[in-house]
Amino acid sequence: DIVMTQSPDSLAVSLGERATVNCKSSQSLLYRSNNKNYLAWYQQKPGQPPKLLIYWASTRESGVPDRFSGSGSGTDFTLTISSLQAEDVAVYYCQQYYSRPPTFGGGTKVEI
Amino acid sequence: EVQLVESGGTLVQPGGSLRLSCAASGFTFRSYAMNWVRQAPGKGLEWISYTSASGSSIYYADSVRGRFTISRDNARNSLFLQMNSLRDEDTAVYYCARDVTGLYFFDYWGQGTLVTVSS
Repeated sequence: DIVMTQSPDSLAVSLGERATVNCKSSQSLLYRSNNKNYLAWYQQKPGQPPKLLIYWASTRESGVPDRFSGSGSGTDFTLTISSLQAEDVAVYYCQQYYSRPPTFGGGTKVEI
Repeated sequence: EVQLVESGGTLVQPGGSLRLSCAASGFTFRSYAMNWVRQAPGKGLEWISYTSASGSSIYYADSVRGRFTISRDNARNSLFLQMNSLRDEDTAVYYCARDVTGLYFFDYWGQGTLVTVSS
């Protein structure tokens, strides 16, 4: 199974500041035939199910604010919140879908 | 509006059985693969099972293979998870999640149903 490792476990960011969450996979998630990275990011607020934010490592899901962006390729990926808002307080998870079973990172808690 | 509503979670003794349901609406259920993903209290997310749109392809995580059975009824827009030989470590919120064209990432999730395995 592909192991997904997120860092940090938690971070505190001031309102309006940038938040960066890192995700590393135990093997490359880049499928060379289509040049796509099989990585998604989710946001989970307390008491709620996860919400898909980004897929293909950098494609924002419809309706997701553009302050959320994903980057990276191969084994190293980043979720960036460019200007943290109060409603962004949540746990963020990366997930690989390159191979079965799909696996998630351990989560990063973003606080104000 | 896409809606997924899980039900069936409850307190059950170790070794017991339980059947979870997920009622889907707002989309053409028979056209989508579906999954179950669980989350132990205070922990991260764990994918546990997948069924293709037709139900002809089914996969399980090692942690539940041989004990859990996923199924679907496309006529009734419903997904199921039969859980047997339950263990303490199966205690979790169970989510049904719609698959994005069989790619194993998930664009819609239900609110979840809590299964507690305890004596």
